[in-house]
Amino acid sequence: GAVVSQHPSRVICKSGTSVKIECRSLDFQATTMFWYRQFPKKSLMLMATSNEGSKATYEQGVEKDKFLINHASLTLSTLTVTSAHPEDSSFYICSVGTGLNQPQHFGDGTRLSIL
Amino acid sequence: QQQVKQSPQSLIVQKGGISIINCAYENTAFDYFPWYQQFPGKGPALLIAIRPDVSEKKEGRFTISFNKSAKQFSLHIMDSQPGDSATYFCAASTASKLTFGTGTRLQVTL
Repeated sequence: GAVVSQHPSRVICKSGTSVKIECRSLDFQATTMFWYRQFPKKSLMLMATSNEGSKATYEQGVEKDKFLINHASLTLSTLTVTSAHPEDSSFYICSVGTGLNQPQHFGDGTRLSIL
Repeated sequence: QQQVKQSPQSLIVQKGGISIINCAYENTAFDYFPWYQQFPGKGPALLIAIRPDVSEKKEGRFTISFNKSAKQFSLHIMDSQPGDSATYFCAASTASKLTFGTGTRLQVTL
């Protein structure tokens, strides 16, 4: 399966700052990547689908101006949490889609803490 | 319509026992059903997956049973080991988008 690297693994920052999270597909040309959010002891919630070279598709209720997604190459997608506030604190996880009816492979997540 | 219901929420199994986790779905458009294992602080890792034209799939100690008419599928972990202690998520996919179950925390005791 695809090897997915996510960086940083943990970030702590002050309220009002913007934070960028990188998701890299190390061995697979990823036209589609996904961004999820996971609260403690809860399931994964899909935030958006990131498509290489085009705009991301956001799930209902996810603010696209708050969570900016860029997928400029087949190996890199970034999620920027803009003007972060304490309620944005969460575990953010990306995945690489390997095709229709094929597995998604996940990164190890980014623990974001906003003070 | 998009929900995937998973049970139990938590499970304690003795070493060597069988762990069974169940999932049910409503949306008949789902066409791919993976199971993921997640350790604390890590991303989910694919365990095993099945397509709806197959009723059972086995890989090592892990088996998926799939009942298309009942819209249910389950994960069986044979000879459960302490290293299997983790959270398990079932998922269902349509158009490559995954919908996750609520998760099952498995603890395998010695």
